[in-house]
Amino acid sequence: SAVISQKPSRDICQRGTSLTIQCQVDSQVTMMFWYRQQPGQSLTLIATANQGSEATYESGFVIDKFPISRPNLTFSTLTVSNMSPEDSSIYLCSGAPGTGLRETQYFGPGTRLLVL
Amino acid sequence: QKEVEQDPGPLSVPEGAIVSLNCTYSNSAFQYFMWYRQYSRKGPELLMYTYSSGNKEDGRFTAQVDKSSKYISLFIRDSQPSDSATYLCAMRDSSASKIIFGSGTRLSIRP
Repeated sequence: SAVISQKPSRDICQRGTSLTIQCQVDSQVTMMFWYRQQPGQSLTLIATANQGSEATYESGFVIDKFPISRPNLTFSTLTVSNMSPEDSSIYLCSGAPGTGLRETQYFGPGTRLLVL
Repeated sequence: QKEVEQDPGPLSVPEGAIVSLNCTYSNSAFQYFMWYRQYSRKGPELLMYTYSSGNKEDGRFTAQVDKSSKYISLFIRDSQPSDSATYLCAMRDSSASKIIFGSGTRLSIRP
């Protein structure tokens, strides 16, 4: 299994500012993903973080709003840009091991974001 | 209509009871089915995954898939207070690059 950590664990931000969330995996993983989870709701995939190339975004999410980096096989960042109160949510990263089987992905503890 | 439907609960049962958690889905192409457990303020952790129809047992947990009815279940035997969490079903087809999650069922086991 893989252990995933995220920083920060929580933050309160002012509208119009940006926040970068870091995701660190303790072993190399083939796939890394970023999700958003509203309280009491299902996980929504934002994008797949690709090592050394641009992330693959899901419908409704764009690079200008959620730029993602993945410089190596164990680290990724998600930036929430020009934040508004609607961006208040829990942001989770996940990683899938070398087989690339997405059903065996492991999740970080999440970053709780509140935008005022 | 959502692709995956899951009763949000909350579901409260006494310790030792058998718990049944369920999801229905609409996409007949789904072939991989997962159950995740999420404790408060933690990320989801994979509990069980099954491929196609049938049952899979792991300790006190049994996952069941009925593709003809587009219905999956997770049974927890001899439930413990430590089983109190939100349980999310998830599924995907053989070619998709993403997993579709249910909204989760909040479960509480009363001592």
